[in-house]
Amino acid sequence: ILNVEQSPQSLHVQEGDSTNFTCSFPSSNFYALHWYRWETAKSPEALFVMTLNGDEKKKGRISATLNTKEGYSYLYIKGSQPEDSATYLCAFTYSGGGADGLTFGKGTHLIIQP
Amino acid sequence: DTEVTQTPKHLVMGMTNKKSLKCEQHMGHRAMYWYKQKAKKPPELMFVYSYEKLSINESVPSRFSPECPNSSLLNLHLHALQPEDSALYLCASSQLGQSYGYTFGSGTRLTVV
Repeated sequence: ILNVEQSPQSLHVQEGDSTNFTCSFPSSNFYALHWYRWETAKSPEALFVMTLNGDEKKKGRISATLNTKEGYSYLYIKGSQPEDSATYLCAFTYSGGGADGLTFGKGTHLIIQP
Repeated sequence: DTEVTQTPKHLVMGMTNKKSLKCEQHMGHRAMYWYKQKAKKPPELMFVYSYEKLSINESVPSRFSPECPNSSLLNLHLHALQPEDSALYLCASSQLGQSYGYTFGSGTRLTVV
């Protein structure tokens, strides 16, 4: 059984502050690491897909890093805004080639307080 | 069209009913997925279709029967479900390959009574 762990489970952040949270995953047979943003009653939205050790990706105020050797990824949000409130899920896939399902962590529930 | 459309959005069914969930995408994605999500838990993979063929079945009970009639459609046929099968059922699609994210639908909220 593959475990993907996310921490913290929930986070309250003041508007304007920056924040980050962690995803840890099995480092053997790594294939890809995904980050999704999921607002209530909406579809999970793909933020990043990272495949190479040392990858850093950025989308506006959100960025992510990847360390496949030690099995962790960080998601950073700079200057949090109320619209950043959501659950942030990371997901891991370990096989190569073909279509592979994602193994999700439980998510970090982020609440931005005005 | 960059969306995955799931119907219905909500479904209430009895334990003796037969119903189907539908998922549709027109992005040319050749992989499609069903996930089940219970409250406060992460989505769990149920089935994967690749080029309209079932490639992964995560030991799902036979009361759930997937079907992929063509490259744009994915169905999940439900029969003789139990109350513990009540959950959010998410469909997703993707291109094949390491670097592609998945596009998710907004899900069908299923209640079994």
